[in-house]
Amino acid sequence: DAKTTQPTSMDCAEGRAANLPCNHSTISGNEYVYWYRQIHSQGPQYIIHGLKNNETNEMASLIITEDRKSSTLILPHATLRDTAVYYCIVRALGNTDKLIFGTGTRLQVFP
Amino acid sequence: GAVVSQHPSWVICKSGTSVKIECRSLDFQATTMFWYRQFPKQSLMLMATSNEGSKATYEQGVEKDKFLINHASLTLSTLTVTSAHPEDSSFYICSAPTPGSGQYFGPGTRLTVT
Repeated sequence: DAKTTQPTSMDCAEGRAANLPCNHSTISGNEYVYWYRQIHSQGPQYIIHGLKNNETNEMASLIITEDRKSSTLILPHATLRDTAVYYCIVRALGNTDKLIFGTGTRLQVFP
Repeated sequence: GAVVSQHPSWVICKSGTSVKIECRSLDFQATTMFWYRQFPKQSLMLMATSNEGSKATYEQGVEKDKFLINHASLTLSTLTVTSAHPEDSSFYICSAPTPGSGQYFGPGTRLTVT
């Protein structure tokens, strides 16, 4: 699986959009970009995934660059409950593939 | 979405004893489940892949005789920490993949060995 690079931490004001970047310059053509988040002392939560097109669901939007070497997770209106560690993971789509977590980005949403 | 549960949510045990942690997929079947361990302020570390009806696959450096995994049904995997020591104190998390979607994680089990 391709390696990802994320900033260690970010801050965001409540109500504003949180844009979390991820670099995955060695991504392969069959690899998807997945985003998970982990709120303190809880299990990780799936957010969104995509291959090359931008994706949106009720939680977030995922913007993938045309060359697929980087992506951005967007939380359009961050709330205090969005404070968490966000993990960007790249892997080929498969029902049983294991996930390898990097260090992630610690997002702090402040009032 | 799919739900994965873990039991217990926290446990305290004495050094030298064994502790069993259960991971259940509540509304879907999982032929594969994964077990992770997380130390404070660190990321999740994959320990092993649990396979229904067959032996688990352990990651490098994980002692298979210490961390016993049993996946007896399509909805249940168990992790038993044998002869626990204080250094085994950690947050243990399981996950299960669902077709066409991401993996779903349990809420975690906090183990404290005294």
